Amino acid sequence: AQKVTQAQTEISVVEKEDVTLDCVYETRDTTYYLFWYKQPPSGELVFLIRRNSFDEQNEISGRYSWNFQKSTSSFNFTITASQVVDSAVYFCALIADQAGTALIFGKGTTLSVSS
Amino acid sequence: ETGVTQSPTHLIKTRGQQVTLRCSSQSGHNTVSWYQQALGQGPQFIFQYYREEENGRGNFPPRFSGLQFPNYSSELNVNALELDDSALYLCASNTFETIRETQYFGPGTRLLVL
Repeated sequence: AQKVTQAQTEISVVEKEDVTLDCVYETRDTTYYLFWYKQPPSGELVFLIRRNSFDEQNEISGRYSWNFQKSTSSFNFTITASQVVDSAVYFCALIADQAGTALIFGKGTTLSVSS
Repeated sequence: ETGVTQSPTHLIKTRGQQVTLRCSSQSGHNTVSWYQQALGQGPQFIFQYYREEENGRGNFPPRFSGLQFPNYSSELNVNALELDDSALYLCASNTFETIRETQYFGPGTRLLVL
């Protein structure tokens, strides 16, 4: 079975703080894909990043960085110097190749950044 | 802007009624997936259509059904509405060949069942 766990339900930080959103996944497939999506109050899911299971290289994009560790089945997301515009619900998701092409989402982490 | 549109944006129905939600895919996309997102939860996969055929289904009862048209637009139909069907319904489109790269989501339809 495939599963994504986001243990942090809500996180509140003050602007300019760094924040890390945790994601732990479960799958028996050797080929799988991990994603992060952002959902602002408008509801639309905005794609942030995708990694495949063969590429453990960490990635940085501006203030965003992602740490993929197969040894701990984790794919954590860090926002450096957070801004009010980062306030949203963030979802980690998984596509496990043998299970088709459906995205399996975690329950999401609500990030609130105050000024 | 993903180029994926959904209608209506909001809808209120009563228990037992039927509802049809619509999704217009981004140009060139032949695959559409539907997700249900209950309040405070992550989206859950309902089903996927590829070239007008159902290509995978999640754990949803048969009263959830769908269609994909030759222009790749899609409908989600829900019969015999229940209170628990109240949710945000999202559609996502892509080409089947690149669906593991990303999926482009529409803004969703918020359904309230009273």
